[in-house]
Order: sequence, then C-alpha cells, then structure tokens
Amino acid sequence: ELKVEQNPLFLSMQEGKNYTIYCNYSTTSDRLYWYRQDPGKSLESLFVLLSNGAVKQEGRLMASLDTKARLSTLHITAAVHDLSATYFCAVDSISSNTGKLIFGQGTTLQVKP
Amino acid sequence: DVKVTQSSRYLVKRTGEKVFLECVQDMDHENMFWYRQDPGLGLRLIYFSYDVKMKEKGDIPEGYSVSREKKERFSLILESASTNQTSMYLCASSLFGTGPNNEKLFFGSGTQLSVL
Repeated sequence: ELKVEQNPLFLSMQEGKNYTIYCNYSTTSDRLYWYRQDPGKSLESLFVLLSNGAVKQEGRLMASLDTKARLSTLHITAAVHDLSATYFCAVDSISSNTGKLIFGQGTTLQVKP
Repeated sequence: DVKVTQSSRYLVKRTGEKVFLECVQDMDHENMFWYRQDPGLGLRLIYFSYDVKMKEKGDIPEGYSVSREKKERFSLILESASTNQTSMYLCASSLFGTGPNNEKLFFGSGTQLSVL
C-alpha cells in the first residue's frame, strides 16, 4: 500500500527565512505533484516532477525529486507572508498513469512578518 | 481554464439523511474523483471514475456510492449520513492517458458537509 508522509505538518517561520518541507513515499513512483491550498479554498497545482533529479522552481519555491530515496522536497527561499498556505505532495498510486493520486497529510505554513 | 464546479459550498444534514454532492467539469475530462479532506489526514480518495457509468472504489468507499451518467457530471451519494462523514469533500478531474499534465488534477472549491 502506497503511503505518503510529509514533514513537518506545521511550520511557523519568520519572513526572510529559508525552510524545507519533506515528502516521503513508500513505493516506486515516477511522478510526484505539489499542490497549494489557501485557507477556505481548493487545491491549486504547483509542480509536477517526472523523473529522478527533476527540479522545478517558481518564485520562492523550488521542488526536487529523488526517486531512489523516494523523497521530494519543497524548498522555500526568503519566505514572505503570501506563501502562508497548506502544501500537499501527492504521488500517482499506479504506474499506469491513472491520475489516482495519494496525498500526504499536508504541511501548514505560517509566515510571520 | 478547466472549471470544476461543486454545487454547494456548505451543507448541513441530519443523521440518516440521504445526501447528494454534485460535481460538474467543463473540459471533457475522462477522469473524475471524489476525495474527502480531514485535518491531519490530508486527502483520501473515496471513489473515482474513468468513463461514463464506470466507477472504482478508492481507499475509503464505505458509506458512499457514486453515479456517473454523463461525462461531465460525477455525483457522490451518502446513503445514510453519519456524523463521522462530517468533512470537506473535494471533487477533481483530469485527462486520461500518459503524460504528466494528463494526470494533473483540477479541483473544485469543495463542499463542507456537517452531519448533525
């Protein structure tokens, strides 16, 4: 059974600081997704990581994938208040590209001024 | 842009009631999904569908059923609502086939269901 675990589940940080969210998954998968959810809103796709060593960046967020370690990271650089949200990673549960994603618990990020 | 619309943002129902949650997408996606979201548990898949009149159980199907009579519409049914079904319900859709963008899920805004 595929399990996806995120660490930490809650993160409070000061503006301007750097931090990393970790996403571990238990079985082989060749694609990983990161989503963002603002309070009271739905999920919005951030990144799709397709292969070992993949790195994608947008603004202050950078995501990477290590399929051998079954680990993805979401790195936040010089955090700003607008990044406050809950971040989910998700993995395709079957290699047949079904779109059936298994999600982590989510990491709630709070950026304080 | 893909639009996934859920019919209700908030619902309050009583224990034992039959509840229908409706979801419509406008981008001709083959795949549709129902997830529930609970604090600390992330999103858990209830049911999904790859085509009209086709359905498959997700990880937590107990107490739920679904209906997909038309490609654009996917309904989640709680036959007899219970308090432990109080949750946020999220509908999603995606294209079918290979390629990362095909599996990327587009979510509706969610329905917060309270069962009293």
